[in-house]
Amino acid sequence: GEQVEQLPSILRVQEGSSASINCTYENSASNYFPWYKQEPGENPKLIIDIRSNMERKQTQGLIVLLDKKAKRFSLHITDTQPGDSAMYFCAASVRGSALGRLHFGAGTQLIVIP
Amino acid sequence: EAGVTQSPRYAVLQEGQAVSFWCDPISGHDTLYWYQQPRDQGPQLLVYFRDEAVIDNSQLPSDRFSAVRPKGTNSTLKIQSAKQGDTATYLCASSRQVNQDTQYFGPGTRLLVL
Repeated sequence: GEQVEQLPSILRVQEGSSASINCTYENSASNYFPWYKQEPGENPKLIIDIRSNMERKQTQGLIVLLDKKAKRFSLHITDTQPGDSAMYFCAASVRGSALGRLHFGAGTQLIVIP
Repeated sequence: EAGVTQSPRYAVLQEGQAVSFWCDPISGHDTLYWYQQPRDQGPQLLVYFRDEAVIDNSQLPSDRFSAVRPKGTNSTLKIQSAKQGDTATYLCASSRQVNQDTQYFGPGTRLLVL
């Protein structure tokens, strides 16, 4: 199986500052790491993902880092805005495996203070 | 492109009652997933299908939960004799190929068991 740990569970930041969420995984075969954003009453939406052949990916104010040796990956939101306030979930899977599936972390509640 | 649709959006039951949730995946997506998301937690996979076949139902409480996808398109998740611990949001997701592509989530069904 796979266990994904996500920290912190709650993160409060001032508007304009950066926010960082960290996840660790156990299965060294995991090769796909998506991040989902979930607003209250809404479904989770994919915001960025990274595959194991990359160490860094950046898009629209989001940066994902992957350290395969440490089995650790992280999401960094630069210049946070109130609209970034939401639950964020990391996940890991063995993409390409018939039995692989997404294993989600417990989530981080991000609160951006105006 | 229409997204994943689910119904009902909300359900309130007394313990011991039965309930069914319905999911219509994105057209052309052969893989369909059912997740249980307790309040303030990450989605936890219950079962997933490729076409009409169950790929993994190891996390499905088989004594009270059942899921079918008879024609490889729509799917129904049923809870017999609901318990208070079943209170959660039930999310359906779909992807084009099992573990090969992004999962897209539906809006979910919020279940409250009194």
